[in-house]
Amino acid sequence: GNSVTQMEGPVTLSEEAFLTINCTYTATGYPSLFWYVQYPGEGLQLLLKATKADDKGSNKGFEATYRKETTSFHLEKGSVQVSDSAVYFCALSTNTGGFKTIFGAGTRLFVKA
Amino acid sequence: DVKVTQSSRYLVKRTGEKVFLECVQDMDHENMFWYRQDPGLGLRLIYFSYDVKMKEKGDIPEGYSVSREKKERFSLILESASTNQTSMYLCASSLKVYGEQFFGPGTRLTVL
Repeated sequence: GNSVTQMEGPVTLSEEAFLTINCTYTATGYPSLFWYVQYPGEGLQLLLKATKADDKGSNKGFEATYRKETTSFHLEKGSVQVSDSAVYFCALSTNTGGFKTIFGAGTRLFVKA
Repeated sequence: DVKVTQSSRYLVKRTGEKVFLECVQDMDHENMFWYRQDPGLGLRLIYFSYDVKMKEKGDIPEGYSVSREKKERFSLILESASTNQTSMYLCASSLKVYGEQFFGPGTRLTVL
C-alpha cells in the first residue's frame, strides 16, 4: 500500500545551520508530493509541492526535489532561522486505486538563536 | 486566500456526551476532510466529503459520523464521546480531491 516515512525528530539546530529532513514514500502510480508546515497553535499549511518526477518545489528558502528513482522528497534549507521552528509533514496524494492523501508522522524542528 | 474556520479551539467534554465539531470554508471547495492528529501518528483521516450530502469513510471512522448539508460546512459528530477520542481535530478543504489541502486551526478536544 501507499506510505510515507520521514525522519524522526526532534531535530535541533542552531540559527543559520543547514537543514535536511528526509522523506521517502511508497506509492503506486504517479503521486503528487507535498511538504506541509505546522507552527505552534496552528493548523497545517502548504510549504511546497511537486507533481511529477524531477520537479523541484520551493518556497521561503525551502526546497525539495521529487526523485522517482529513490522514491524520495527530502526537504532542505540552506540557513534556518528561529522562526522556522515548527513541525514539518511530508505527504503524498494519489488517485490510483481511489483518492488518498497520506501524511508522514511529522518531524519537529527546534532552531536555537 | 482560502479560509477554513473551526467552531472551537479548545473543548472539554464528559464521557458519553454527544459532541459536534463544525468546520466552514469560504472558497467554494468541493472536498472537505476531517483528521485527527496524535503525537507520533501524524494525521489520520476520519471522513471526507466530495460533494454535498456525500461522504466517504477514511482510515479511522469508528465512533464518528459526519454531516454535510451545505457545500461550505462539514460537521464531525462524536455520538458518545470516549476518553480515547481526546485528540486534536483538524478540518481541511481542497479544490481537487488529491490536490493541496487548506487546513483550519484545529480543535483540541479533551474528553474526561
